[in-house]
Amino acid sequence: EAGVAQSPRYKIIEKRQSVAFWCNPISGHATLYWYQQILGQGPKLLIQFQNNGVVDDSQLPKDRFSAERLKGVDSTLKIQPAKLEDSAVYLCASSLSVQGAYEQYFGPGTRLTVT
Amino acid sequence: AQKVTQAQTEISVVEKEDVTLDCVYETRDTTYYLFWYKQPPSGELVFLIRRNSFDEQNEISGRYSWNFQKSTSSFNFTITASQVVESAVYFCALSEVPHGNSKLTFGKGITLSVRP
Repeated sequence: EAGVAQSPRYKIIEKRQSVAFWCNPISGHATLYWYQQILGQGPKLLIQFQNNGVVDDSQLPKDRFSAERLKGVDSTLKIQPAKLEDSAVYLCASSLSVQGAYEQYFGPGTRLTVT
Repeated sequence: AQKVTQAQTEISVVEKEDVTLDCVYETRDTTYYLFWYKQPPSGELVFLIRRNSFDEQNEISGRYSWNFQKSTSSFNFTITASQVVESAVYFCALSEVPHGNSKLTFGKGITLSVRP
């Protein structure tokens, strides 16, 4: 079974530029998560989707971050404009359902460096 | 608010030593789930175990064991006879399901170095 796919793996941009990350979850997984992991810290949830609806985006900086999950499968996370403090690894995860706290399966992440 | 504390930041052991990674959590809910994930140098988080709040039995899987104690709000992880390949960052995480979503709150992680 294929795991969670993410691209690109690495991205370097200058501040005030925009960037987009892509995630393809495990087939059949209804729930998709985007986490931000700053160096030396644990991942922090940015947004959670159940199918194509948003379950939780309380920690998403909505003035610069946006995310969508078209057709309840793939998802895109965008940052516009980027700030230096956005340098982090962006992890995508998926699980069977939001109910019952199924284990989440993580992708390899996208390492973003903002200069 | 939920919180996970991993007080140990870095642990270094010699191969074949036993090591225990500590995890303390805070939650107001009676129904919750606890997790351990491993993050090797490649960066991908790997699921190790999930425990629900109603099951306090200790879990053993090969050389890995988990001790869940609600009285002290702890969920500790022990590796017996550690191996070099187990060098990684280990995260403990908490999920409060009754709030309608299953987001994970992670601790800051423990960097485990197993030396040959």
